[in-house]
Amino acid sequence: QSVLTQPPSVSGAPGQRVILSCSGSSSNIGTGNDVHWYQQVPGTVPKLLIYGNNNRPSGVPDRFSGSRSGTSASLAITGVQAEDEADYYCQSYDNNLSGYVFGTGTKVTV
Amino acid sequence: QLHLQESGPGLVKPSGTLSLTCSVSGGSITSSSYYWGWIRQPPGKGLEWIGSTYYSGYTYFNPSLKTRVAISVDTSKNQFSLKLNSVTAADTAVYYCVRDVTVTGYFDYWGRGTLVTVSS
Repeated sequence: QSVLTQPPSVSGAPGQRVILSCSGSSSNIGTGNDVHWYQQVPGTVPKLLIYGNNNRPSGVPDRFSGSRSGTSASLAITGVQAEDEADYYCQSYDNNLSGYVFGTGTKVTV
Repeated sequence: QLHLQESGPGLVKPSGTLSLTCSVSGGSITSSSYYWGWIRQPPGKGLEWIGSTYYSGYTYFNPSLKTRVAISVDTSKNQFSLKLNSVTAADTAVYYCVRDVTVTGYFDYWGRGTLVTVSS
């Protein structure tokens, strides 16, 4: 079972700002471990979207941004587009489990 | 450009052992900055990290799978492998091999994934 909790779904009209949340605990996000985000378009391989809380790999549009505060993290899509319809997963390291953990995933509908 | 490719049987019998190999091209598996790992995704479900290995052979695993998992490295072939024993239907999933950027701890390169079904 996932130790990072995400809302099952989020929707927004094209051009709107959409925010996805990722709730953790004091043993993962809350202890300062970095949060990373992945995008998975249906039927495709997950793709690294944000690493180290708020860094974009080369080629990722700047409408995607990440943040971390306390035991939670957020992914914002500013000006969401139809091509952003996908599942989004947050990921971090859990000190109690001594391993990586993923969020439950959020499906974004545009 | 780094490329990872999984290979192995797509069907495994219950109580058997799942074995997969990941071939790495476009870069060396002995790069000091990286670990190499496995992640799985049951059909219609989320992602689960299985474990990661360094080229020296050091490994670390998801505690929920630790007693059934082994990951090994073959530096001469630039490959690493996964073995999961005592499989059940719950182990049916798409298995991805990944590059694990340790310290910061994220997965930046992924194989295309291979579906492994556990069924008699």
